[in-house]
Amino acid sequence: QVQLVQSGAEVRKPGASVKVSCKVSGYTFTRYEINWVRQATGQGLEWMGWMNPNSGNPGYAQKFQGRVTMTRNASIGTVYMELGSLRSDDTAVYYCARGYNGMDVWGQGTAVTVSS
Amino acid sequence: SYELTQPLSVSVALGQTARLTCGGKNIGNKNVHWYQQKPGQAPVLVISRDSSRPSGIPERFSGSNSGNTATLTISRAQAGDEADYYCQVWDTNIAVFGGGTKLTVL
Repeated sequence: QVQLVQSGAEVRKPGASVKVSCKVSGYTFTRYEINWVRQATGQGLEWMGWMNPNSGNPGYAQKFQGRVTMTRNASIGTVYMELGSLRSDDTAVYYCARGYNGMDVWGQGTAVTVSS
Repeated sequence: SYELTQPLSVSVALGQTARLTCGGKNIGNKNVHWYQQKPGQAPVLVISRDSSRPSGIPERFSGSNSGNTATLTISRAQAGDEADYYCQVWDTNIAVFGGGTKLTVL
């Protein structure tokens, strides 16, 4: 079945960076965009950007421009999201989610904690 | 930037119909997607492109979109429908989410 499986929880200090992976299975990797969405505790969903797995071209929300990098390794069906210059308010659960016409499959989420 | 407005909370009696709204300027010209999120879980797509139900979503869930308001309708509300619901659109290749509505089933 179609699955997005994310890497495990991370703890970082302020100023550091974190890289989260999202491995897809059950469908052709290049057919669907992968989005990254985060959610702080008790807050709503916040879109960070997306990756076209076919071309490798990313698109980022303006808020994260300069701090986020999305890449992919097509040979292993994996998309990565790296967020740098971490601050305490980057503490959140980070999700990858497939698709443009509705994000129809989501990863299980990766908790990232930023704390000194 | 484009904004979507959702009421913070909606209550519905068990077995009745809940209507959750999502407001945005000329949102009727956009495709609206709706997600259900239960505590501790990832969101689930319940309506795509205004009114399409993905496989596995009950027929009790329906959607409409016109003018400045999109609506998610949940008929015969069940206790298991209690969750946060988010609307989402694309605006010039940027995904925008509404702030979310907490649905309480009484």
